[in-house]
Amino acid sequence: DQQVKQNSPSLSVQEGRISILNCDYTNSMFDYFLWYKKYPAEGPTFLISISSIKDKNEDGRFTVFLNKSAKHLSLHIVPSQPGDSAVYFCAARTIQGAQKLVFGQGTRLTINP
Amino acid sequence: EAQVTQNPRYLITVTGKKLTVTCSQNMNHEYMSWYRQDPGLGLRQIYYSMNVEVTDKGDVPEGYKVSRKEKRNFPLILESPSPNQTSLYFCASSPPSYEQYFGPGTRLTVT
Repeated sequence: DQQVKQNSPSLSVQEGRISILNCDYTNSMFDYFLWYKKYPAEGPTFLISISSIKDKNEDGRFTVFLNKSAKHLSLHIVPSQPGDSAVYFCAARTIQGAQKLVFGQGTRLTINP
Repeated sequence: EAQVTQNPRYLITVTGKKLTVTCSQNMNHEYMSWYRQDPGLGLRQIYYSMNVEVTDKGDVPEGYKVSRKEKRNFPLILESPSPNQTSLYFCASSPPSYEQYFGPGTRLTVT
C-alpha cells in the first residue's frame, strides 16, 4: 500500500521556466511533509518542508504547497536551472512517528538548456 | 565536516554469506535509520533507532538486523543475504523531529 505517491516518474522542463512536481498521500494522520533532492551516486538531501498547519512554504526559488482536503502537495521551482536536474522525493510523517518517514517513488526532473 | 558515512560503498556477495554495512555519524544525532531504494518504490525504511539500545522495525525489516551500541554507529546486518536484498541502501541520522541527513549509499548485489 503506497501511502505517498508521485505519479510522474519523469519531468522535462526548459531552463528558466517553472517546474512543478506533484505528490499525493492517503494517510490523513500525516502532519509534516518534506521534499528531498537526489543526485546520482549521492544520498538524498533535504530541500524544503511544510507542516500541516500551513498551506505554503517558500525558500528562495523553491515553494511547497499543501492542499490537505485533496491530500496533495506540490513543489514549484522558479526559475528552473540546469543544476536542478535530479530525482525529487516527497516524504511524509506523523507526529507519533517522527522518525518513520514514508517516501514517494520519486520524480526525475531534467532541465533542458 | 558534519556527515554520515557508510562502508562499503559497493559490495557484491553471494547468497547466504553474512555481511555488515557500517554507518557512522559525527553530529551527535539521537535518531538513525536505514532505508533501501528500489526502482519504482522509492525509499523504504528498514529499521530505525531513537537512541542507544533503542531500535524499532520500519516497513521492510525482514531479513535484516541492526544494533545501536554507540550513539554514532548504526550497522545493518544481513545474516543470510538473498538476491531480493539486492538494492541501494542509505543510512540517515537526525536530531529529534528534524529532517534527516543521509549517507552516500551502499550498492549491494547478492548473486
